[in-house]
Amino acid sequence: DQQVKQNSPSLSVQEGRISILNCDYTNSMFDYFLWYKKYPAEGPTFLISISSIKDKNEDGRFTVFLNKSAKHLSLHIVPSQPGDSAVYFCAADQGGSEKLVFGKGTKLTVNP
Amino acid sequence: EPEVTQTPSHQVTQMGQEVILRCVPISNHLYFYWYRQILGQKVEFLVSFYNNEISEKSEIFDDQFSVERPDGSNFTLKIRSTKLEDSAMYFCASSEVKSQPQHFGDGTRLSIL
Repeated sequence: DQQVKQNSPSLSVQEGRISILNCDYTNSMFDYFLWYKKYPAEGPTFLISISSIKDKNEDGRFTVFLNKSAKHLSLHIVPSQPGDSAVYFCAADQGGSEKLVFGKGTKLTVNP
Repeated sequence: EPEVTQTPSHQVTQMGQEVILRCVPISNHLYFYWYRQILGQKVEFLVSFYNNEISEKSEIFDDQFSVERPDGSNFTLKIRSTKLEDSAMYFCASSEVKSQPQHFGDGTRLSIL
């Protein structure tokens, strides 16, 4: 089941620079997308979401972009901070369903 | 900030034994969920629960699994007869309404021997 794909298992970025995490999906019925951050030994923490009626949503340093025609979304973190180092999961929800479908995650390392 | 709490953080059980994982969702949330993550794999949906009944479940959630909200605050996942392949992190989540962000607990690591 590869409905949500995060093709980069890891990403390394310098502090202060932009981090861009990518996610692709195959199910055109998905209409709500979320990004979660996960530290070791903790559960996923909700970061930001976007509905399919939008193409951008911003919250402080975090911006999510959605390209429905390409079935692609990305999370931008600007500026990146060492505390942002974590695994980032993309998740998607289909209208009428309550289950989230997760990607495998991308491990972000922000170097001081 | 209110949070979802799960107990225990780690559970070790012999194969074939019953296990109950416990969760206290965020107090004003109405939807409750269980997910699991087998080591090295994706987080997978197990079941959702609303208005005291299962509203959706995955193929993983077979007759060995059950969920219950025994009182106004707890939400439990029971595995009747555990198998080695049930070893995983089990995450409880809750949301205020459907299609709102689900908030996760820190998980219970279940180890089946």
